[in-house]
Amino acid sequence: DSGVTQTPKHLITATGQRVTLRCSPRSGDLSVYWYQQSLDQGLQFLIHYYNGEERAKGNILERFSAQQFPDLHSELNLSSLELGDSALYFCASSVMWGGTEAFFGQGTRLTVV
Amino acid sequence: QQQVKQSPQSLIVQKGGISIINCAYENTAFDYFPWYQQFPGKGPALLIAIRPDVSEKKEGRFTISFNKSAKQFSLHIMDSQPGDSATYFCAASRPDNAGKLIFGQGTTLQVKP
Repeated sequence: DSGVTQTPKHLITATGQRVTLRCSPRSGDLSVYWYQQSLDQGLQFLIHYYNGEERAKGNILERFSAQQFPDLHSELNLSSLELGDSALYFCASSVMWGGTEAFFGQGTRLTVV
Repeated sequence: QQQVKQSPQSLIVQKGGISIINCAYENTAFDYFPWYQQFPGKGPALLIAIRPDVSEKKEGRFTISFNKSAKQFSLHIMDSQPGDSATYFCAASRPDNAGKLIFGQGTTLQVKP
């Protein structure tokens, strides 16, 4: 158990809908990263938050957004969902950033039908 | 320049053998190179990591070899066991990029009893 909690574990929704994925980092970790894992694209970085502030953005679609709350949990919002958004979404946390150990949650498997 | 290329895509090894997975990168600004192990339905778990100032790091049966001039690094799993059967990802990050990990495409390892 990495100490990173993601909910829900599975999510099935229809095209055009909006979903929210939640991540609770390990106790004491200030950084939260979101990654998308698909068969054809592998593990792709989406976005990074540190202590409530956005620090880096990757290949995140405009339909996707995220935030980190004062209690350090983070939410990834996916809207106007398309079939191609079906993937595993992972969050990872670390104490700081820049080469420190990142611990991944179990992921949320999103299926868009 | 941001890519990390991993090979082979899949690997079959007999129990007790040595598993070797290779990664190559282009961006010399990368300064942190972790390896992650992922079992089906689970999140990636950090196995071992190295920085460019050392050429080798060993933790139990797992060893990273790092060749800075060739911009390559590899994971060696000694005495491979069926329980090592998983997908392995190499990754890299830069100090100016907030810990964002660039992942290789993954290697699926099967260790036959």
